[in-house]
Amino acid sequence: QVQLVQSGAEVKKPGASVKVSCKASGYTFTTYDINWVRQAPGQGLEWMGWMNPNNSNTGFVRKFQGRVTFTRDTSTNTAYMELSSLRSEDTAVYYCARGLTSNYGGNRYFDLWGRGTLVTVSS
Amino acid sequence: DIQMTQSPSSLSASVGDRVTITCQASQDISNYLNWYQQKPGKAPKLLIYDASNLETGVPSRFSGSGSGTDFTFTISSLQPEDMATYYCQQRGFTFGPGTKVDIK
Repeated sequence: QVQLVQSGAEVKKPGASVKVSCKASGYTFTTYDINWVRQAPGQGLEWMGWMNPNNSNTGFVRKFQGRVTFTRDTSTNTAYMELSSLRSEDTAVYYCARGLTSNYGGNRYFDLWGRGTLVTVSS
Repeated sequence: DIQMTQSPSSLSASVGDRVTITCQASQDISNYLNWYQQKPGKAPKLLIYDASNLETGVPSRFSGSGSGTDFTFTISSLQPEDMATYYCQQRGFTFGPGTKVDIK
């Protein structure tokens, strides 16, 4: 079964770090990018960045520079997103999503999503 | 950075109605535009990619069009299960703010 299974909910204090996992199954993990998208309560979707599991290349939104790290373990087909220096505004559901590239290479889109991991930042 | 806008932000329509949502990019993005549906408490679901290509398994009442900066998403005959928020996304990056669709 093709799926992305994410780790469970987390509660963290301000200033702490959180590491969310995303385990892929049913397809070749290194073939497709893994993207991270978050959604604050009652808000819209915010793309955070991506990682190429084949070579570990990453890209991310400037606002997360210095705070976010994307890694992967190809032996377990698992991608990770670590966010540090947490603040209350980081309270959100964090999704991982598989990224596909259009045949002509111009567009990317997310065809497979995890169920999301709720990260709550509270003192 | 490319900014995405959507209108309306919400709408209410009856079953069987034709529903249209527009998405505008702050600069030319060719046809690098995707549409997602998100139901409450669920992960988003891809409906349309490359502005007009229907994802496998998605009902044909959903369609998309446009290129450049202006795009349209249409539900030809609204069904009760279409109650959701719809997001456009440019090239796998920025999402639009979303359009919440309610059933009257």
